[in-house]
Amino acid sequence: EAGVVQSPRYKIIEKKQPVAFWCNPISGHNTLYWYLQNLGQGPELLIRYENEEAVDDSQLPKDRFSAERLKGVDSTLKIQPAELGDSAVYLCASSSQTGANTGELFFGEGSRLTVL
Amino acid sequence: QQQVKQSPQSLIVQKGGISIINCAYENTAFDYFPWYQQFPGKGPALLIAIRPDVSEKKEGRFTISFNKSAKQFSLHIMDSQPGDSATYFCAASKPIDDMRFGAGTRLTVKP
Repeated sequence: EAGVVQSPRYKIIEKKQPVAFWCNPISGHNTLYWYLQNLGQGPELLIRYENEEAVDDSQLPKDRFSAERLKGVDSTLKIQPAELGDSAVYLCASSSQTGANTGELFFGEGSRLTVL
Repeated sequence: QQQVKQSPQSLIVQKGGISIINCAYENTAFDYFPWYQQFPGKGPALLIAIRPDVSEKKEGRFTISFNKSAKQFSLHIMDSQPGDSATYFCAASKPIDDMRFGAGTRLTVKP
């Protein structure tokens, strides 16, 4: 069974440019997460979807970040415009359970963003 | 917003030794405590998890010890191997809420 697939794996852009990351969760997983992982830190939640509904986006910087999960399957995370401080790894995870404390999160390999 | 504090930041252990990583939390509403393992260039993967109704859980060489009164839990890796070299994250979550991760411990097991 395929795991969580993310693309691109690496992206280098100039500041003020837009960037988008794509995630395809494990088939049948209704809950999808986007996490931000800064170097040497643990993942921090940006947004959680249950099916196509964003149920927790309180940590998403909405002035420049946006996300969507059309049809409740794959998802896109966009940054526009990117800033130097956005350089990080963006992790996507999925789960077959609703609620983070009910089961395992399956992570993709992440998209590493470098903003110059 | 570190709700879970993890130590040490890095750890070097000889092959065959015991690796111990500690975590502390403040929110007594947390009721699920997993440990995730992350290799370079990969996403975190669940290693072992515990709920506060038990004080210890063992899976192979990996054991979680949980102290509810002290609000602390730890990961013990017995007979540590070079292949265990990775970054380990503790985490905690509560009902209808999301996972809060510690800052991570970079473990190096020397042959």
